[in-house]
Amino acid sequence: DAMVIQNPRYQVTQFGKPVTLSCSQTLNHNVMYWYQQKSSQAPKLLFHYYDKDFNNEADTPDNFQSRRPNTSFCFLDIRSPGLGDAAMYLCATSRGLPSDTQYFGPGTRLTVL
Amino acid sequence: DQQVKQNSPSLSVQEGRISILNCDYTNSMFDYFLWYKKYPAEGPTFLISISSIKDKNEDGRFTVFLNKSAKHLSLHIVPSQPGDSAVYFCAATYLSGGGADGLTFGKGTHLIIQP
Repeated sequence: DAMVIQNPRYQVTQFGKPVTLSCSQTLNHNVMYWYQQKSSQAPKLLFHYYDKDFNNEADTPDNFQSRRPNTSFCFLDIRSPGLGDAAMYLCATSRGLPSDTQYFGPGTRLTVL
Repeated sequence: DQQVKQNSPSLSVQEGRISILNCDYTNSMFDYFLWYKKYPAEGPTFLISISSIKDKNEDGRFTVFLNKSAKHLSLHIVPSQPGDSAVYFCAATYLSGGGADGLTFGKGTHLIIQP
């Protein structure tokens, strides 16, 4: 089945230790998104890639970076995780057409010790 | 500053009755609205959407109503079934941006269908 896969599902890191979250897709979609969802909060868009074009949200901290080496994969790098970065990180994809549906992965829950 | 608001964190409805989930938005530039459903340990899945040029969209047991003047939308589920128990997220975006823009979500409403 075509899908959006996120690895790992659970990630524990230490305060200040860089961490990378992974997302892959078999849908061949043009756009890949990263959302952050803190406990009891709304998912919040961090950035997205349209093909190789990176689009950062204005209020996304510099501590968060992303890479998209090819169509299928997209990575979220947190350079120096703080306690406030503990959250569920959701990856989504779409074709990028108007009214197109976004398809979400199951998320990676990040714990910062 | 929350642009999409779901003011009911949870809602309990008896099986077979109507479930009504509400959502308000503040940004008048939003022109496309969606509802996503999320089960535990899974990502959100698309349920139904509505463009700002319509006031109603129906898909089986699910109907979304949009009141642009009130900046309010609602999701009706009739009849409610046990499998509908999930968290429902309201989301909004700008189609005028070309289609690749991300979604602005509400905090979600946990719907519990009681037998």
